[in-house]
Amino acid sequence: AQSVAQPEDQVNVAEGNPLTVKCTYSVSGNPYLFWYVQYPNRGLQFLLKYITGDNLVKGSYGFEAEFNKSQTSFHLKKPSALVSDSALYFCAVRDWDNAGNMLTFGGGTRLMVKP
Amino acid sequence: EAGVAQSPRYKIIEKRQSVAFWCNPISGHATLYWYQQILGQGPKLLIQFQNNGVVDDSQLPKDRFSAERLKGVDSTLKIQPAKLEDSAVYLCASSLAGHQETQYFGPGTRLLVL
Repeated sequence: AQSVAQPEDQVNVAEGNPLTVKCTYSVSGNPYLFWYVQYPNRGLQFLLKYITGDNLVKGSYGFEAEFNKSQTSFHLKKPSALVSDSALYFCAVRDWDNAGNMLTFGGGTRLMVKP
Repeated sequence: EAGVAQSPRYKIIEKRQSVAFWCNPISGHATLYWYQQILGQGPKLLIQFQNNGVVDDSQLPKDRFSAERLKGVDSTLKIQPAKLEDSAVYLCASSLAGHQETQYFGPGTRLLVL
């Protein structure tokens, strides 16, 4: 079975400061990892994904994430937060050794960026 | 490029009534997914189609939920009869074939069962 943990329900950061949203995963094989963002009354919007290769993945809106296999983590980061980054962030994992290919989401982390 | 379209955006029904949701995926996307997102939780996959065939429906409550994608393009998800615990946002997503492909989500249908 595969699972995702987002240990923080909410992350608060001041505008202009760096932000980190944490994600750890569990799969039996090798992971595909994704980050999505959800604004109020909107669907999920794709930010970035890790498939293979460079452990540091760059995505939309200045976000990046670092894949750490030994710590089974895929934390989302941004060097300088904007108020407009305030939203709900979801980490997701798919086991690419599993023929079922189901995408499993974490419970989400609410990011609040204050001016 | 047009995104994933869903309708209606909102629906309020009473328990034991039936309801249907519609999804039109991004053009050319062979794979279509329906997710249920309960308030405060991450989305949970209900069913996955590859063209007009079901790939995974292991988490679909088949006694009350059904879905179809008859022509391999748009899809409908039905609940009959609805229960209070079905209140959630129902998200449709689509992707190109291949399990490393990114899923793109529609705006969702917010269902309230009274």
